[in-house]
Amino acid sequence: DTGVSQDPRHKITKRGQNVTFRCDPISEHNRLYWYRQTLGQGPEFLTYFQNEAQLEKSRLLSDRFSAERPKGSFSTLEIQRTEQGDSAMYLCASSSFLRGTGELFFGEGSRLTVL
Amino acid sequence: EDQVTQSPEALRLQEGESSSLNCSYTVSGLRGLFWYRQDPGKGPEFLFTLYSAGEEKEKERLKATLTKKESFLHITAPKPEDSATYLCAVQARQGAQKLVFGQGTRLTINP
Repeated sequence: DTGVSQDPRHKITKRGQNVTFRCDPISEHNRLYWYRQTLGQGPEFLTYFQNEAQLEKSRLLSDRFSAERPKGSFSTLEIQRTEQGDSAMYLCASSSFLRGTGELFFGEGSRLTVL
Repeated sequence: EDQVTQSPEALRLQEGESSSLNCSYTVSGLRGLFWYRQDPGKGPEFLFTLYSAGEEKEKERLKATLTKKESFLHITAPKPEDSATYLCAVQARQGAQKLVFGQGTRLTINP
């Protein structure tokens, strides 16, 4: 069990640029989640995959955000035309269908700073 | 809209001084309530799941309890290594995977 891996850990970009984050879940986990967390707040749900299918998507996720999980393994989260309000920690989590659905294993996150 | 409110926002205790953290929630059909611990710069770490009122779970110095409107995380004789932010989350509606988190309680245990 190597844990959930996220890359990059830190990203600084200028407003208007596109950024992409990668998440490698725990290998046997078929469920994958993206959350966003700002300073002093709890994580906020963005989207959920079961295998390669994106089954839930937050209304907060604007058209500038897109997530994929090709082949049901790693996932990417892309933010197009970044805005300063996108600055946050982007957390990926995975879970197994064998455990309770709220027992998530989180990665250490990708911190985005938009200048 | 499902909501979770945690109190207090921050709590400082002396080592060995027991206390409780509160998590109040409103949800359309509770599927589960979850407690997580988050250290600075890290992702949250799962602690407990509670499914129904009256249920209790324990792990070392932590005990979580659940009523129909709130949950408590009791910390008995805490140590400095218990310092962290404690997050409460709820999952609502059968079939939905989304967790709704509170803003967390930042706990500091002084030696």
